[in-house]
Amino acid sequence: EVQLVESGGGLVQPGGSLRLSCAASGFTFSSYWMSWVRQAPGKGLEWVANIKQDGSEKYYVDSVKGRFTISRDNAKNSLYLQMNSLRAEDTAVYYCARERFSGWLVHFFDYWGQGTLVTVSS
Amino acid sequence: SSELTQDPAVSVALGQTVRITCQGDSLRSYYASWYQQKPGQAPVLVIYGKNNRPSGIPDRFSGSSSGNTASLTITGAQAEDEADYYCNSRDSSGNQHAVFGGGTQLTVL
Repeated sequence: EVQLVESGGGLVQPGGSLRLSCAASGFTFSSYWMSWVRQAPGKGLEWVANIKQDGSEKYYVDSVKGRFTISRDNAKNSLYLQMNSLRAEDTAVYYCARERFSGWLVHFFDYWGQGTLVTVSS
Repeated sequence: SSELTQDPAVSVALGQTVRITCQGDSLRSYYASWYQQKPGQAPVLVIYGKNNRPSGIPDRFSGSSSGNTASLTITGAQAEDEADYYCNSRDSSGNQHAVFGGGTQLTVL
């Protein structure tokens, strides 16, 4: 059974840092792209960042570029999101999700974790 | 970057058919995927690709696409289908970014 379990969320002051983790199990973690997707309270889903199977490619939404860093440790079946210079607008539930590409035309997220809440407030 | 536009809210009578739409330039190049999210829960994939359902998703859910518009159709809506629905596709800029629609809140009357 595929499982994704996020951890590391919490309350942090503006300008602070936080590192999220996502522990994966039930599949060959090193074979898949992985993403972080967030959802601000009462708002919609926003893709944040993704990383290729071997970590050689990483992409970010413009609003977090230069502040967030996605990484992975395939030996530990884990995905990470280092968040620096946090702002109030980064407050959200952060989900890790397994990302799939089938050819060039098809893209989807087939498994999601339960999410971890990050609150940026003084 | 790309944008995907969804109607904020749609309602359907129990047992009737409802179509939820998603518009965006990226949909001319890529298929949409669709997610169901109930309050306090993580999103669940319901449709991907041309019209594929993951295991466990009822066959009353179907997907279609035309031009810059993708649609999720629920044929014979059930009370348990009341949820928020989000579309998603790759960014049409040619990079590996993803983009989500703003979501549609479905009410089953």
